Amino acid sequence: DTEVTQTPKHLVMGMTNKKSLKCEQHMGHRAMYWYKQKAKKPPELMFVYSYEKLSINESVPSRFSPECPNSSLLNLHLHALQPEDSALYLCASSQGHNSPLHFGNGTRLTVT
Amino acid sequence: SQQGEEDPQALSIQEGENATMNCSYKTSINNLQWYRQNSGRGLVHLILIRSNEREKHSGRLRVTLDTSKKSSSLLITASRAADTASYFCATEVIRLLIQGAQKLVFGQGTRLTINP
Repeated sequence: DTEVTQTPKHLVMGMTNKKSLKCEQHMGHRAMYWYKQKAKKPPELMFVYSYEKLSINESVPSRFSPECPNSSLLNLHLHALQPEDSALYLCASSQGHNSPLHFGNGTRLTVT
Repeated sequence: SQQGEEDPQALSIQEGENATMNCSYKTSINNLQWYRQNSGRGLVHLILIRSNEREKHSGRLRVTLDTSKKSSSLLITASRAADTASYFCATEVIRLLIQGAQKLVFGQGTRLTINP
């Protein structure tokens, strides 16, 4: 079990669907992250929130829309995705610099 | 290009042997971290070593950092079948420091298989 909870664990969606991924942590961390990971590849950073404000957007297509409703929650809204967006989406949190990232177990997304 | 490059890409050893993985990076770092990932799961943090540190231990894990060579190594001693996983190094690059958070750049990873 991890201290970062991601739901759902698996998601299958069509290219015209709208869905959301959710992430929750109760460790008091002020930084939260979304990563995308393709099979046998390292995680790729998508978004970073620091103190509930978007700090980094790694030129992610607008069909991915992050939201940080409060310091414990992070959402990733999905719309009009492409099959190549199929991947493992990982959420993480941390206290800041020189501190480890705590990852959730991810959402396995399949776009059909 | 990736900040961190790891070698070997894959390593297969017998249970009880030691496993060594290496990571090289290109620019100045604030810290270097090692993570483990079991298949289809999230990453688990193993060790963080700061740029002014040279060696850290945690149980059967030993990490070294050589900033002059821009390289790090992870040693797992007395390996067990449960150590089978992918191992990633990740660097917090100084020029990418952001307030209150960190931008980690991950290496390509080493897939470690421990044979019983």
